[in-house]
Amino acid sequence: QQQVKQSPQSLIVQKGGIPIINCAYENTAFDYFPWYQQFPGKGPALLIAIRPDVSEKKEGRFTISFNKSAKQFSLHIMDSQPGDSATYFCAASSGGYQKVTFGTGTKLQVIP
Amino acid sequence: DGGITQSPKYLFRKEGQNVTLSCEQNLNHDAMYWYRQDPGQGLRLIYYSQIVNDFQKGDIAEGYSVSREKKESFPLTVTSAQKNPTAFYLCATSPGQTTDTQYFGPGTRLTVL
Repeated sequence: QQQVKQSPQSLIVQKGGIPIINCAYENTAFDYFPWYQQFPGKGPALLIAIRPDVSEKKEGRFTISFNKSAKQFSLHIMDSQPGDSATYFCAASSGGYQKVTFGTGTKLQVIP
Repeated sequence: DGGITQSPKYLFRKEGQNVTLSCEQNLNHDAMYWYRQDPGQGLRLIYYSQIVNDFQKGDIAEGYSVSREKKESFPLTVTSAQKNPTAFYLCATSPGQTTDTQYFGPGTRLTVL
């Protein structure tokens, strides 16, 4: 119930491509869905987040698409750059005093 | 990373030794968390604390201990009871007593020799 399933485990795209990372959840109490970006040897940093009252959110080149009925959400990176090469984690929480549940991560490589 | 510091950056431990990882924050955040990161397994919650002098076990608390005597500090002790402690350890904070947004420190890489 608390699991967040993330795919793919790794992804290679060419510069300018649009990598898409998908996550699925089971717990319908989740109401906050952030994405974190992590560079090697560093801590994760919040990239973008969405709540289930909207179906899409854009911040710069990063877009979250959210499908409440399917219990799925995804991250799209427009015009990807080599500097976007990192590991991306989706997550979900239900606020209050509940924990954050993280996906297992997607290692993205953007080749020039 | 901002106002969250973790030390040391690298730590080596002999089998049977306890070691303590430091986490300090100057963000005035109420909640603090410890995660363990292993390749291919994402982040797993060890302990968390929402207020001073109170903390709860996460999903993998066995072999670990914490304290929260000050709002700014949440040290993690990896005891000899933790059978496979080699990992990347991350401390995080969040502003209120909810868990909506977490801010992570730079991490400590622990290796058992």
